[in-house]
Amino acid sequence: SQTIHQWPATLVQPVGSPLSLECTVEGTSNPNLYWYRQAAGRGLQLLFYSVGIGQISSEVPQNLSASRPQDRQFILSSKKLLLSDSGFYLCAWRREFYTDTQYFGPGTRLTVL
Amino acid sequence: AQKVTQAQTEISVVEKEDVTLDCVYETRDTTYYLFWYKQPPSGELVFLIRRNSFDEQNEISGRYSWNFQKSTSSFNFTITASQVVDSAVYFCALSDGSGGYQKVTFGTGTKLQVIP
Repeated sequence: SQTIHQWPATLVQPVGSPLSLECTVEGTSNPNLYWYRQAAGRGLQLLFYSVGIGQISSEVPQNLSASRPQDRQFILSSKKLLLSDSGFYLCAWRREFYTDTQYFGPGTRLTVL
Repeated sequence: AQKVTQAQTEISVVEKEDVTLDCVYETRDTTYYLFWYKQPPSGELVFLIRRNSFDEQNEISGRYSWNFQKSTSSFNFTITASQVVDSAVYFCALSDGSGGYQKVTFGTGTKLQVIP
């Protein structure tokens, strides 16, 4: 069966510090991967998606970036965090080439102070 | 453009009451998929159901049931005999029918509180 992991679970960072959040998927190959952000009390905003290694598409211009160095690894980064980057970050995967369900990881709660 | 509307921001019910969460969607695609997810206080989104646009058959899973009506572009979710464990935020979502990049549009969510 497939599982998706995210770490860290929680993170408190000062403004201007760098960020690296990691997402890994097990039990599948060539997944489509997604990063979402959920601000407090709000819906989900798609940030990035990837259909393969090294292939990243951005939905929203911002100071965040994403990378996919391995087939089942998806990383969300920032060089300098802003207060507005605070939120709940969710990674999701779905099977390649299938119009299928997106399955979500446990999320990372980021607080920027 | 796709759009999902969950007009109910918050709902409170007493345990054992039935509750219906509304979802109205907009799309120009003829093939599309609808989803419901549950987000408990822990934060993880839990997949509940997927329905494609060609299957209007209603579905029941235990205390959960879903009513899909293309004529009114609605995909409502009913919880029968609600329990405290049902307290969560529920998201309705819509995706296009393409096999490539799948853009999913989420509603803003309905927060359900079940009071013991």
